[in-house]
Amino acid sequence: ETAVFQTPNYHVTQVGNEVSFNCKQTLGHDTMYWYKQDSKKLLKIMFSYNNKQLIVNETVPRRFSPQSSDKAHLNLRIKSVEPEDSAVYLCASSETGDTEVFFGKGTRLTVV
Amino acid sequence: QQKVQQSPESLIVPEGGMASLNCTSSDRNVDYFWWYRQHSGKSPKMLMSIFSNGEKEEGRFTVHLNKASLHTSLHIRDSQPSDSALYLCAAPHDTNAYKVIFGKGTHLHVLP
Repeated sequence: ETAVFQTPNYHVTQVGNEVSFNCKQTLGHDTMYWYKQDSKKLLKIMFSYNNKQLIVNETVPRRFSPQSSDKAHLNLRIKSVEPEDSAVYLCASSETGDTEVFFGKGTRLTVV
Repeated sequence: QQKVQQSPESLIVPEGGMASLNCTSSDRNVDYFWWYRQHSGKSPKMLMSIFSNGEKEEGRFTVHLNKASLHTSLHIRDSQPSDSALYLCAAPHDTNAYKVIFGKGTHLHVLP
């Protein structure tokens, strides 16, 4: 049973548009993440938050901005999407930074 | 930059056969690993973790860890078609616990 909930499941948009993805976890975890999984299934961390504080901000374009209102929610906004942003975006959470990571079902973004 | 390297990239085994997957970390401070499994169209889920040198068995799955060589392996005996999936090895980041590093994965195909 998934306890990390993401919306939407899919999103198709045009180059230059802005998109927002939502994520909520009901596990009571302190840490949340955004990962990007490309077409080759490579999983790369983008951001991680601990108790709604940004801890990790990998080298991602500035058009990506995470937003956390509380430790159970972590959203992702992409301003002016590019074709290379097409991927599956996986939200995840863990109890602390170095424990098992639980993933949501992902949001598949297609930029046309 | 810390890396988690997996081999082989792809593996085909007959139903009932043994599948052996390998994983190595480039960071000498890493001394535990996770194995995740991702079925097609699904999100990754943790399969097993290993924190101590030696072997850990759960049903048909056995994980080995050799801390001295920074190497872990996953062995699946009596492989089933339902085991066909992407297997991801993960390790904690050497300096930042909030940054789990994933390998590129091994695509396992079990042929009926």
